[in-house]
Amino acid sequence: QKEVEQNSGPLSVPEGAIASLNCTYSDRVSQSFFWYRQYSGKSPELIMSIYSNGDKEDGRFTAQLNKASQYVSLLIRDSQPSDSATYLCAVGLMEYGNKLVFGAGTILRVKS
Amino acid sequence: EAGVVQSPRYKIIEKKQPVAFWCNPISGHNTLYWYLQNLGQGPELLIRYENEEAVDDSQLPKDRFSAERLKGVDSTLKIQPAELGDSAVYLCASSLRAGGPHNEQFFGPGTRLTVL
Repeated sequence: QKEVEQNSGPLSVPEGAIASLNCTYSDRVSQSFFWYRQYSGKSPELIMSIYSNGDKEDGRFTAQLNKASQYVSLLIRDSQPSDSATYLCAVGLMEYGNKLVFGAGTILRVKS
Repeated sequence: EAGVVQSPRYKIIEKKQPVAFWCNPISGHNTLYWYLQNLGQGPELLIRYENEEAVDDSQLPKDRFSAERLKGVDSTLKIQPAELGDSAVYLCASSLRAGGPHNEQFFGPGTRLTVL
């Protein structure tokens, strides 16, 4: 069973703090990892992709990948109320043509 | 550049009625996906097209669901007959390609289906 696990939350952080979102996956051969943001009633929006071990930074977002531990995380610095959303972790399964398997998402609430 | 377009945005039907959803992917994207998303869950793949070929339809309930992408561009997903349990959001996504390690998928706005 290919699984992607996320804490459902809600994760509550004060405005200006760092929000840390975590994701674990079961498929050892996965090569591509994505974070999507989904506002209530809207569709998922791609915010980060990462393919190699280590950190990848884009503005206030940093994705971290550790393939040995099968762990990927998303850090949001200087969190804003507009960051309040559900964050979906997705893992690409190479042996299935890069089929994306999504976690159920973590709800983030940034309090002003 | 226009994103993925879907219609309709909302659909309410009686059970046992047919329903169809339409998707136009981002220009130049060869790979098109249909996903189903239930409340509180992540999207689940129903079918993936590479150009006009359905290369992964293992999760599509073929007794009532069908899909087509005749010219390798836009696509239609159909349910006939609809059941109460089909109420969900149907999402279309596209990517440049599915092969290789880079597979950034971009989603359309979705169609929210309610079956009464």
